[in-house]
Amino acid sequence: EVQLVQSGAEVKKPGESLRISCKASGYRFTTYWISWVRQMPGKGLEWMGKIDPSDSYTRYSPSFQGHVTMSADKSISTAYLQWSSLRASDTAMYYCARLGVYYADSGSFYYYMDVWGKGTTVTVSS
Amino acid sequence: EIVLTQSPGTLSLSPGERATLSCRASQSVSSSSLSWYQQKSGQGPRLLIYGASTRATGIPDRFSGSGSGTDFTLTISRLEPEDFAVYYCQQYVPSFFTFGGGTKVEIK
Repeated sequence: EVQLVQSGAEVKKPGESLRISCKASGYRFTTYWISWVRQMPGKGLEWMGKIDPSDSYTRYSPSFQGHVTMSADKSISTAYLQWSSLRASDTAMYYCARLGVYYADSGSFYYYMDVWGKGTTVTVSS
Repeated sequence: EIVLTQSPGTLSLSPGERATLSCRASQSVSSSSLSWYQQKSGQGPRLLIYGASTRATGIPDRFSGSGSGTDFTLTISRLEPEDFAVYYCQQYVPSFFTFGGGTKVEIK
Protein backbone atom coordinates (compact mmCIF):
# COMPACT_ATOMS: atom_id res chain seq x y z
CA GLU A 1 0.00 0.00 0.00
CA VAL A 2 1.28 3.43 -0.95
CA GLN A 3 1.30 5.73 2.03
CA LEU A 4 2.89 8.82 3.50
CA VAL A 5 3.27 8.79 7.28
CA GLN A 6 3.82 12.15 8.90
CA SER A 7 5.40 12.92 12.24
CA GLY A 8 3.37 13.83 15.29
CA ALA A 9 1.96 17.11 16.53
CA GLU A 10 4.39 19.78 17.68
CA VAL A 11 4.06 22.64 20.15
CA LYS A 12 6.79 25.27 19.92
CA LYS A 13 7.57 28.80 21.01
CA PRO A 14 8.18 31.72 18.63
CA GLY A 15 11.78 31.81 17.47
CA GLU A 16 12.35 28.08 17.94
CA SER A 17 13.36 25.75 15.14
CA LEU A 18 11.43 22.73 13.94
CA ARG A 19 11.66 19.91 11.45
CA ILE A 20 8.69 17.71 10.58
CA SER A 21 8.84 14.57 8.50
CA CYS A 22 6.96 12.58 5.90
CA LYS A 23 7.98 8.94 5.43
CA ALA A 24 7.01 7.24 2.19
CA SER A 25 6.35 3.55 1.73
CA GLY A 26 4.87 1.25 -0.88
CA TYR A 27 6.57 2.86 -3.87
CA ARG A 28 9.97 3.99 -5.13
CA PHE A 29 10.57 7.21 -3.23
CA THR A 30 12.88 8.77 -5.80
CA THR A 31 10.37 8.41 -8.64
CA TYR A 32 7.85 10.98 -7.42
CA TRP A 33 8.14 14.59 -6.27
CA ILE A 34 6.77 15.46 -2.82
CA SER A 35 4.84 18.66 -2.11
CA TRP A 36 4.01 20.36 1.17
CA VAL A 37 0.66 22.08 1.75
CA ARG A 38 -0.34 24.35 4.60
CA GLN A 39 -3.82 24.67 6.08
CA MET A 40 -4.26 27.36 8.68
CA PRO A 41 -7.05 26.88 11.23
CA GLY A 42 -10.43 27.08 9.52
CA LYS A 43 -8.87 28.04 6.19
CA GLY A 44 -8.18 26.54 2.79
CA LEU A 45 -5.19 24.78 1.27
CA GLU A 46 -1.99 26.63 0.34
CA TRP A 47 0.81 25.10 -1.73
CA MET A 48 4.21 25.68 -0.13
CA GLY A 49 6.60 24.01 -2.53
CA LYS A 50 7.90 20.73 -3.84
CA ILE A 51 11.03 18.62 -3.75
CA ASP A 52 12.44 16.00 -6.07
CA PRO A 53 13.71 13.27 -3.72
CA SER A 54 16.08 11.91 -6.34
CA ASP A 55 18.35 14.97 -6.18
CA SER A 56 16.69 17.24 -3.57
CA TYR A 57 15.92 19.91 -6.18
CA THR A 58 13.29 22.24 -4.74
CA ARG A 59 10.79 24.82 -5.96
CA TYR A 60 9.07 27.05 -3.45
CA SER A 61 5.94 29.14 -3.60
CA PRO A 62 6.93 32.83 -3.42
CA SER A 63 4.77 33.06 -0.30
CA PHE A 64 7.02 30.63 1.55
CA GLN A 65 10.41 31.15 -0.09
CA GLY A 66 13.03 32.00 2.49
CA HIS A 67 10.96 31.01 5.51
CA VAL A 68 10.92 27.23 5.16
CA THR A 69 13.35 24.64 3.85
CA MET A 70 12.42 21.36 2.22
CA SER A 71 14.79 18.44 2.16
CA ALA A 72 14.78 14.70 1.60
CA ASP A 73 16.80 11.67 2.66
CA LYS A 74 16.36 9.03 0.00
CA SER A 75 18.18 6.42 2.09
CA ILE A 76 15.19 6.36 4.45
CA SER A 77 12.48 7.51 2.01
CA THR A 78 11.69 10.56 4.08
CA ALA A 79 10.96 14.16 3.19
CA TYR A 80 11.29 17.03 5.64
CA LEU A 81 9.93 20.52 6.14
CA GLN A 82 11.84 22.77 8.48
CA TRP A 83 11.82 26.21 10.01
CA SER A 84 14.79 27.94 11.62
CA SER A 85 12.70 30.52 13.45
CA LEU A 86 9.00 29.87 13.97
CA ARG A 87 6.35 32.57 14.14
CA ALA A 88 2.91 32.43 15.71
CA SER A 89 1.51 32.68 12.18
CA ASP A 90 3.08 29.30 11.34
CA THR A 91 0.40 27.66 13.48
CA ALA A 92 -1.31 25.32 11.04
CA MET A 93 -1.75 21.79 9.79
CA TYR A 94 0.92 20.74 7.32
CA TYR A 95 0.37 18.01 4.76
CA CYS A 96 2.81 16.24 2.52
CA ALA A 97 1.56 14.85 -0.77
CA ARG A 98 3.03 12.75 -3.54
CA LEU A 99 2.86 14.23 -7.02
CA GLY A 100 1.37 12.01 -9.69
CA VAL A 101 1.92 12.84 -13.36
CA TYR A 102 -0.69 13.23 -16.08
CA TYR A 103 0.51 13.09 -19.69
CA ALA A 104 -1.71 15.12 -21.99
CA ASP A 105 -2.26 14.38 -25.67
CA SER A 106 -0.24 17.49 -26.46
CA GLY A 107 2.84 15.85 -25.05
CA SER A 108 2.89 18.16 -22.04
CA PHE A 109 2.70 16.75 -18.55
CA TYR A 110 0.99 18.02 -15.44
CA TYR A 111 1.24 17.18 -11.77
CA TYR A 112 -1.48 16.47 -9.26
CA MET A 113 -1.41 15.30 -5.63
CA ASP A 114 -2.41 11.65 -5.66
CA VAL A 115 -1.42 10.46 -2.17
CA TRP A 116 -1.61 12.57 0.98
CA GLY A 117 -0.29 12.19 4.48
CA LYS A 118 -2.64 12.66 7.44
CA GLY A 119 -1.01 15.93 8.38
CA THR A 120 1.14 17.31 11.20
CA THR A 121 -0.29 19.96 13.49
CA VAL A 122 2.16 22.69 14.39
CA THR A 123 1.24 25.08 17.19
CA VAL A 124 3.47 28.09 17.85
CA SER A 125 2.63 29.98 21.00
CA SER A 126 4.48 31.78 23.74
CA GLU B 1 -0.50 34.33 -11.12
CA ILE B 2 -3.67 32.42 -11.91
CA VAL B 3 -6.44 32.78 -9.34
CA LEU B 4 -9.07 30.08 -8.93
CA THR B 5 -12.49 31.18 -7.67
CA GLN B 6 -14.86 28.52 -6.42
CA SER B 7 -18.60 28.99 -6.10
CA PRO B 8 -20.78 28.78 -4.25
CA GLY B 9 -18.96 29.06 -0.97
CA THR B 10 -21.49 26.75 0.65
CA LEU B 11 -23.98 24.39 -0.97
CA SER B 12 -26.85 23.11 1.19
CA LEU B 13 -28.36 19.94 -0.24
CA SER B 14 -30.08 16.75 0.84
CA PRO B 15 -28.78 13.20 0.33
CA GLY B 16 -29.78 11.96 -3.11
CA GLU B 17 -29.66 15.41 -4.68
CA ARG B 18 -27.26 16.53 -7.41
CA ALA B 19 -24.39 18.85 -6.52
CA THR B 20 -22.77 21.16 -9.03
CA LEU B 21 -19.59 22.94 -7.95
CA SER B 22 -17.87 25.61 -10.02
CA CYS B 23 -14.20 26.57 -10.34
CA ARG B 24 -13.34 29.60 -12.45
CA ALA B 25 -9.79 30.54 -13.43
CA SER B 26 -8.66 34.15 -13.84
CA GLN B 27 -7.21 33.22 -17.24
CA SER B 28 -7.49 30.28 -19.57
CA VAL B 29 -5.72 27.13 -18.36
CA SER B 30 -5.15 23.72 -19.86
CA SER B 31 -7.86 21.31 -18.79
CA SER B 32 -5.06 18.80 -18.23
CA SER B 33 -3.83 20.95 -15.33
CA LEU B 34 -7.07 20.96 -13.30
CA SER B 35 -7.68 18.65 -10.33
CA TRP B 36 -10.35 18.32 -7.63
CA TYR B 37 -9.94 17.22 -4.01
CA GLN B 38 -12.32 16.30 -1.22
CA GLN B 39 -11.59 17.08 2.42
CA LYS B 40 -13.81 15.69 5.13
CA SER B 41 -13.90 17.25 8.55
CA GLY B 42 -10.76 16.43 10.53
CA GLN B 43 -9.13 14.58 7.65
CA GLY B 44 -6.55 15.26 4.99
CA PRO B 45 -7.53 15.94 1.39
CA ARG B 46 -8.22 13.13 -1.09
CA LEU B 47 -7.74 13.30 -4.84
CA LEU B 48 -11.00 12.92 -6.76
CA ILE B 49 -10.34 14.10 -10.31
CA TYR B 50 -7.27 15.01 -12.36
CA GLY B 51 -6.92 16.22 -15.92
CA ALA B 52 -10.29 17.94 -15.38
CA SER B 53 -12.29 14.75 -15.95
CA THR B 54 -10.33 11.61 -15.03
CA ARG B 55 -11.46 9.97 -11.82
CA ALA B 56 -8.70 8.88 -9.46
CA THR B 57 -8.40 5.25 -8.43
CA GLY B 58 -11.30 4.11 -6.28
CA ILE B 59 -13.45 7.19 -6.79
CA PRO B 60 -17.13 6.32 -7.37
CA ASP B 61 -18.64 7.19 -10.75
CA ARG B 62 -21.15 9.56 -9.15
CA PHE B 63 -18.25 12.05 -9.18
CA SER B 64 -17.52 13.63 -12.54
CA GLY B 65 -15.47 16.58 -13.73
CA SER B 66 -15.81 18.70 -16.82
CA GLY B 67 -14.85 22.03 -18.32
CA SER B 68 -12.25 23.87 -20.31
CA GLY B 69 -10.65 27.27 -20.65
CA THR B 70 -11.62 29.21 -17.54
CA ASP B 71 -14.69 27.28 -16.34
CA PHE B 72 -14.61 23.89 -14.69
CA THR B 73 -17.27 21.89 -12.87
CA LEU B 74 -17.34 19.05 -10.38
CA THR B 75 -20.66 17.21 -10.33
CA ILE B 76 -21.83 14.72 -7.74
CA SER B 77 -24.80 13.01 -9.36
CA ARG B 78 -26.50 11.76 -6.18
CA LEU B 79 -25.16 12.84 -2.85
CA GLU B 80 -24.36 10.10 -0.39
CA PRO B 81 -24.02 10.86 3.34
CA GLU B 82 -20.23 10.51 3.10
CA ASP B 83 -20.01 13.17 0.37
CA PHE B 84 -20.72 16.07 2.67
CA ALA B 85 -17.33 17.75 2.83
CA VAL B 86 -15.26 20.61 1.46
CA TYR B 87 -14.12 20.43 -2.16
CA TYR B 88 -11.12 22.21 -3.64
CA CYS B 89 -10.06 22.72 -7.21
CA GLN B 90 -6.37 23.03 -8.02
CA GLN B 91 -4.44 24.12 -11.04
CA TYR B 92 -0.85 23.36 -12.03
CA VAL B 93 1.42 25.46 -14.21
CA PRO B 94 5.04 24.45 -14.58
CA SER B 95 6.50 24.28 -11.09
CA PHE B 96 3.60 25.96 -9.28
CA PHE B 97 0.22 24.95 -7.88
CA THR B 98 -2.78 27.09 -7.01
CA PHE B 99 -5.83 26.04 -4.98
CA GLY B 100 -9.29 27.52 -5.08
CA GLY B 101 -10.87 28.70 -1.86
CA GLY B 102 -13.13 25.66 -1.52
CA THR B 103 -16.85 24.85 -1.60
CA LYS B 104 -18.48 23.33 1.45
CA VAL B 105 -21.25 20.86 0.69
CA GLU B 106 -23.45 20.64 3.77
CA ILE B 107 -26.55 18.72 4.70
CA LYS B 108 -29.72 20.74 4.27
